[in-house]
Amino acid sequence: AQSVTQLGSHVSVSEGALVLLRCNYSSSVPPYLFWYVQYPNQGLQLLLKYTSAATLVKGINDFEAEFKKSETSFHLTKPSAHMSDAAEYFCAVSDRDAGNMLTFGGGTRLMVKP
Amino acid sequence: DAMVIQNPRYQVTQFGKPVTLSCSQTLNHNVMYWYQQKSSQAPKLLFHYYDKDFNNEADTPDNFQSRRPNTSFCFLDIRSPGLGDAAMYLCATSRDRGVYNEQFFGPGTRLTVL
Repeated sequence: AQSVTQLGSHVSVSEGALVLLRCNYSSSVPPYLFWYVQYPNQGLQLLLKYTSAATLVKGINDFEAEFKKSETSFHLTKPSAHMSDAAEYFCAVSDRDAGNMLTFGGGTRLMVKP
Repeated sequence: DAMVIQNPRYQVTQFGKPVTLSCSQTLNHNVMYWYQQKSSQAPKLLFHYYDKDFNNEADTPDNFQSRRPNTSFCFLDIRSPGLGDAAMYLCATSRDRGVYNEQFFGPGTRLTVL
């Protein structure tokens, strides 16, 4: 089965600083990868997805992620953090061994300091 | 706007008292999913419907059942809730079960068991 690891359950940045949230996957076949954001007491919202069309994927709210096959990574970045970015972020892979169901990483809580 | 709706947003029940959570969608998607999310954890898939075809995850307790009477609605029944079933329950939909299919999430129902 495919798996996803998010390094750092909590990340804290200052407002205006670079945001970097790490995601590594394990997959024996080309993966389909997603980043979702969850605000408190809300459902998950798709930020972006990688489907092999381009290695640099741009998403909503100025987030982007780069697929690096050699590093089996799909890290999420944003050049300048806003207070409104404070949320839980989940990386997920579409698991072909599980009928294309999503396998989520453990999540990273992003805190933004004023 | 097309969306995934969950009712109620907050549900309180007593230990052992059956409870039903509701999900509806206006996206006309073929697939509907139910996830359980406990505090500070990733969502855990309970089951999904592909049209009328019910698919149960192997480790989903028998205490959890689901119904999908039509394309738009899906229900989660917890027959005898225990304290360990207190969680956020997320409903999601996708157009199909393809590997690249995005899932659209509802806002969730937070279940409290007294």
